[in-house]
Amino acid sequence: GAVVSQHPSRVICKSGTSVKIECRSLDFQATTMFWYRQFPKQSLMLMATSNEGSKATYEQGVEKDKFLINHASLTLSTLTVTSAHPEDSSFYICSARDLGANHNEQFFGPGTRLTVL
Amino acid sequence: KNEVEQSPQNLTAQEGEFITINCSYSVGISALHWLQQHPGGGIVSLFMLSSGKKKHGRLIATINIQEKHSSLHITASHPRDSAVYICAVGREYGNKLVFGAGTILRVKS
Repeated sequence: GAVVSQHPSRVICKSGTSVKIECRSLDFQATTMFWYRQFPKQSLMLMATSNEGSKATYEQGVEKDKFLINHASLTLSTLTVTSAHPEDSSFYICSARDLGANHNEQFFGPGTRLTVL
Repeated sequence: KNEVEQSPQNLTAQEGEFITINCSYSVGISALHWLQQHPGGGIVSLFMLSSGKKKHGRLIATINIQEKHSSLHITASHPRDSAVYICAVGREYGNKLVFGAGTILRVKS
C-alpha cells in the first residue's frame, strides 16, 4: 500500500523553541494532507487540513499562528509548532489522500512524539 | 452522543479466540475505516469500506449501511494482535474523518 513518512519520529525541545515536523507521501501524490494530534489515552483529533498550494483549513480551537502548516508540494506538508510549551507535548500524526486512487482513502504516517520541557 | 461509538472499550482475549469489535455511527458517510494503533503509536490502515465485506488474512470487516454499523473480526487471535483498534468514518460531504474512541485489545498467550 501507499506509504507516508514523518520526520522526526521523536523530538524533545525546550519551552519557547519552534519545532518542524515533516509529512511525506513516498510513492503517491497527495493534494490533501491532514494533521492530527493525540493526547495520551485519547483518540485522534483533527487539527487542520492541508491543501497543496493553498492555505490550510484549521479546526475550531486550533491556533493557526501557533501551528503553521505549509504544503508546498504534492508530496510534502510541514507542521511547525511555534514557541512550543509543555502543553503542546503530544503525538502528532499526519495522513494523506492519494490523488490517483480512491479519493476516500487516507494513509497515515507513523507519528511524531513531541515533548516540550 | 458521539457521532462514532465503538464497543467494547477494552477487550481481553485468550490466544486463538474469535474477536469482534463493533462500530456504530450516526452521520451520513462516504466510507468507514478500521485502523490499528500499536503501543509505539504508529497507525496502520486495515480496511476502508463503503459496503459489504472485506477480508485480509485473519481480519474481516463488514458494514451495514442501513443500520449504520460495522464490525471488525479477528479470527485465531494472537498476542501480536494486541493494539488499539479505531473506527473512523469519512463524512458524506468533505474529507474529514470522525474517529471513535478506540478499542484496546489485549490477547494473552
